[in-house]
Amino acid sequence: QSVLTQPPSVSAPPGQKVTISCSGSNSNIGNNYVSWYQQFPGTAPKLLIYDNDKRPSGIPDRFSGSKFDTSATLDITGLQTGDEADYYCATWDPRLSSGDALFGGGTKLTVL
Amino acid sequence: QVQLQEAGPGLVKPSQTLSLTCTVSGGSITSGDSYWSWIRQPPGKGLEWIGYIYYSGTTYYSPSLKSRITLSVDTSKNQFYLKLRSMTAADTAVYFCARGPSQYYDSGGYPGIKTSFDPWGQGTLVTVSS
Repeated sequence: QSVLTQPPSVSAPPGQKVTISCSGSNSNIGNNYVSWYQQFPGTAPKLLIYDNDKRPSGIPDRFSGSKFDTSATLDITGLQTGDEADYYCATWDPRLSSGDALFGGGTKLTVL
Repeated sequence: QVQLQEAGPGLVKPSQTLSLTCTVSGGSITSGDSYWSWIRQPPGKGLEWIGYIYYSGTTYYSPSLKSRITLSVDTSKNQFYLKLRSMTAADTAVYFCARGPSQYYDSGGYPGIKTSFDPWGQGTLVTVSS
């Protein structure tokens, strides 16, 4: 069971918008930056969003991130079949003496 | 651009120690404010951060794995390493190395960690079996 909670799956038709949520607490999301990753089967995750809402170069503006209080969201607009993948959120949780990097459990996106 | 590549055995026997190497190319492991991480993913499951190391040798380990892992770095080879002791079937996973996280200082001068991992290595599957 992940400390960061994501819906196991989301789906939407091509061209539509989907929102993936990531819920945490004050100790992690509430006081730390969030990043998002896209992972296709058999490949390494790819950074989509960092610092809550910034896109690395090369990431289309169809992907956007936001954070409010202890939750973060990833929005994908203009869905394409090529967006079908697993999506993970991540943040830091400064606990004990060193802290911990946390990932959400992942959300499988299906483009119907 | 910076690229990472993992190397190590694909099969480890129970109770043995896993040793993995991550080679960084296209940039120096000593540049910037980034740490260098190991992350794993059991088959069909999610991502789990293992720990990170700074080029100076400073390490931070996941509390859940802290008793069994050692990270080290060799700046002359632009490589960093993972040792995971007392392997069990539960440690079967794809092991990734990645650049990140990075440290920052907020407006009050307090240090924080940004967990953005980029780039990642392609990953190496490690199976624990006798």
